[in-house]
Amino acid sequence: SQKIEQNSEALNIQEGKTATLTCNYTNYSPAYLQWYRQDPGRGPVFLLLIRENEKEKRKERLKVTFDTTLKQSLFHITASQPADSATYLCALDSGGYNKLIFGAGTRLAVHP
Amino acid sequence: SAVISQKPSRDICQRGTSLTIQCQVDSQVTMMFWYRQQPGQSLTLIATANQGSEATYESGFVIDKFPISRPNLTFSTLTVSNMSPEDSSIYLCSVVVAGRATEAFFGQGTRLTVV
Repeated sequence: SQKIEQNSEALNIQEGKTATLTCNYTNYSPAYLQWYRQDPGRGPVFLLLIRENEKEKRKERLKVTFDTTLKQSLFHITASQPADSATYLCALDSGGYNKLIFGAGTRLAVHP
Repeated sequence: SAVISQKPSRDICQRGTSLTIQCQVDSQVTMMFWYRQQPGQSLTLIATANQGSEATYESGFVIDKFPISRPNLTFSTLTVSNMSPEDSSIYLCSVVVAGRATEAFFGQGTRLTVV
């Protein structure tokens, strides 16, 4: 069955450093992959989408890479800030129309 | 973008009762979905809410337990029926907006506790 894996352990980093989160998937060939941010008590908020024919996508301090051979996406936050502390979710479209399968998420804590 | 109003934001219910959650969107949407997020876990898709017809349920979810209505393009309800403590979870409405097909918008969620 389709499976998405994210590092379940929390990632703790110092302010100003680059945070790197990993998303691996199996038994799936997605046309695109998405990253969302979720704060406690809130619904996920869309951050970035990367398509299967794209290697890298950037948006301000965010960068996403997509390796369809390794079946892996990396999500980077450069010059991290305490306000970046949240849970980050990786998601794949499971059948079109943005019907999504989510990874368990990685909780990021950025310390001053 | 889309502004999604989901009600109630939280509730505490007795086992054996039912709760109906409402989702109202301020934009024209093409798709509406309902997800469940159990404590400490990720989101799991319950069903696709279809306008004017029966919802399409994912494996493990059935209409008798989670009846869904979508009478028009911008409104849907999810009912959690005959609740048990295992139904304690966050329930989220998600939409795809016309013209932004590759981005999902989420409501703030309904935190349900069954006692």
